[in-house]
Amino acid sequence: ETGVTQTPRHLVMGMTNKKSLKCEQHLGHNAMYWYKQSAKKPLELMFVYNFKEQTENNSVPSRFSPECPNSSHLFLHLHTLQPEDSALYLCASSQRRDRGPLLIYEQYFGPGTRLTVT
Amino acid sequence: KNQVEQSPQSLIILEGKNCTLQCNYTVSPFSNLRWYKQDTGRGPVSLTIMTFSENTKSNGRYTATLDADTKQSSLHITASQLSDSASYICVVSAILTGGGNKLTFGTGTQLKVEL
Repeated sequence: ETGVTQTPRHLVMGMTNKKSLKCEQHLGHNAMYWYKQSAKKPLELMFVYNFKEQTENNSVPSRFSPECPNSSHLFLHLHTLQPEDSALYLCASSQRRDRGPLLIYEQYFGPGTRLTVT
Repeated sequence: KNQVEQSPQSLIILEGKNCTLQCNYTVSPFSNLRWYKQDTGRGPVSLTIMTFSENTKSNGRYTATLDADTKQSSLHITASQLSDSASYICVVSAILTGGGNKLTFGTGTQLKVEL
């Protein structure tokens, strides 16, 4: 398996459910990201992890809970979501090569999880 | 306010024709500008990354230009193919005071190539 993989590819959940999205990168990168992509809107950066440590949380509601057990895996735990949370959730990874700011490095995206909250 | 605006919002062209997509930005201080191609239902794939000192960069039939003075970039697609049908997203990176940085995404241009 190469690149960045995400599972599941599609998820339908009720507002009272708890589910998790999984991302795995096979590129040897040291940083991982969660993005939300809603229709007709720009991608929104949600969380940034650098060497398993969360370095950025862009005011994301607590019903989204990220977890990064190691540099290759990233999870997004979901609970009590709202219908407006329905979107494509994208995972990305990058390799920080020097001490420059993390987001200047090229990011490689997974195929995304299409989430529908009913 | 940092913004990235893309035009047109959508575009339909015939196979074999050329087209140019525009990206205007107000992001500052500028670090780099990227163009991504996103097929329907898939994640974005990087086409080019350009820094301040680069004003043109090619990747096969895709050529990106950057004018850092006017804060404009364009993506030119030559001899379009049906597989070029996708959303093309412009992303600008800014370096913040204190060493952090921020990505600002455009909403994308939806390109459809028809027979």
